Amino acid sequence: QVQLQESGPGLVKPSETLSLTCTVSGGSMRTYYWGWIRQPPGKGLEWIGCIYYSGSTDYNPSLKSRVATSLDMSRNQFSLRLNSVTAADTAVYYCARATWGDYVFDYWGQGTLVTVSS
Amino acid sequence: QSALTQPASVSGSPGQSITISCTGTSSDVGGYNYVSWYQQHPGKAPKLLIYGVSNRPSGVSSRFSGSKSGNTASLTISGLQAEDDADYYCGSYTSISTWLFGGGTKLAVL
Repeated sequence: QVQLQESGPGLVKPSETLSLTCTVSGGSMRTYYWGWIRQPPGKGLEWIGCIYYSGSTDYNPSLKSRVATSLDMSRNQFSLRLNSVTAADTAVYYCARATWGDYVFDYWGQGTLVTVSS
Repeated sequence: QSALTQPASVSGSPGQSITISCTGTSSDVGGYNYVSWYQQHPGKAPKLLIYGVSNRPSGVSSRFSGSKSGNTASLTISGLQAEDDADYYCGSYTSISTWLFGGGTKLAVL
């Protein structure tokens, strides 16, 4: 059974960089997309970006200038960096696996709340 | 890119059927069979219910079904049960290699 687990600071100061890591267990990272999705408190889901196992990336156009993702298959991990954060970036951040061909997020992490505040 | 459009809320009684719509454009919902649906209970991660417009993953009840007509996809839940009380989100892959989600629909089982 594939499992994903987010980790990283729960509190980030405005203008600083949010960094999260997702650890994948129970399956290979090959042939999949690995994505980040966030959900502000009381609001809907917003796709942030995905990295393919080959290293190619796709990002939400509205966040593209501030986002970077990376992949370390030797550690079964992938990471998110979001710079110049503001209070509007406060959200539960989920990591998830997407299948090539169906383009669906079939496995999700439990989510981690990141609050942007001084 | 704008979020896919879903009704904010729907409601139904146990045993009834309800349908949730998800409207996009020809660049996402209407252009590809990459529509998916997710169920989210409070404080939990989304759970995949439907992929490829109408396919159910193993373990998902047959009470959940999906369809699409033009730029609008639909999720139907038949034989409503108390545990179906949750938020539902549609999602779609797009022509510019991005993913979009709907704004979410809160289902109340009365």
